[in-house]
Amino acid sequence: DSGVTQTPKHLITATGQRVTLRCSPRSGDLSVYWYQQSLDQGLQFLIQYYNGEERAKGNILERFSAQQFPDLHSELNLSSLELGDSALYFCASSAGTDYGYTFGSGTRLTVV
Amino acid sequence: DQQVKQNSPSLSVQEGRISILNCDYTNSMFDYFLWYKKYPAEGPTFLISISSIKDKNEDGRFTVFLNKSAKHLSLHIVPSQPGDSAVYFCAASGGFGNEKLTFGTGTRLTIIP
Repeated sequence: DSGVTQTPKHLITATGQRVTLRCSPRSGDLSVYWYQQSLDQGLQFLIQYYNGEERAKGNILERFSAQQFPDLHSELNLSSLELGDSALYFCASSAGTDYGYTFGSGTRLTVV
Repeated sequence: DQQVKQNSPSLSVQEGRISILNCDYTNSMFDYFLWYKKYPAEGPTFLISISSIKDKNEDGRFTVFLNKSAKHLSLHIVPSQPGDSAVYFCAASGGFGNEKLTFGTGTRLTIIP
């Protein structure tokens, strides 16, 4: 157990639908990062939150949004889903001043 | 634009021998480099890192080498063990205040008993 909890582990949904992925960071970590891993691809950075505020943004689609709540858990919302959104979505956390990310085990999203 | 490249999708090595995984980068602003290891159905786990002010960092069986002029780094595992079979990702960061990591596409290492 890495200390970063992601739910759900698996999600199957239809095109056009909206889903919410949840992440609880490791205790004490203020930064949360979201990454997407499509088939045979590296991890693509989506967005980073630090202590509730957006800190960095990557190639995140406009259909996707995220937020970090006062208790530091984070949610990634994916809407108007397309087949190409099928991927593994990883959340990671860090203390914010080092580079030692701790990753969760991911949410596998399948859009049918 | 793939700023971090791992050109070998897979590598097979005999148990006990040295495994060498390679990574190239294009962005000269990167100043911190990391290797992550990933098993199936798990998230990546941090393995070893190196700052751009160094050219080598060692941790047990794992050594990372950085050649800044060539924009190249490598991970050496010696001796290789069956438990090392996993996907290895190279990642790079732009420094303090820019904690976002840019990952390569990974190399699947298989250790043959």
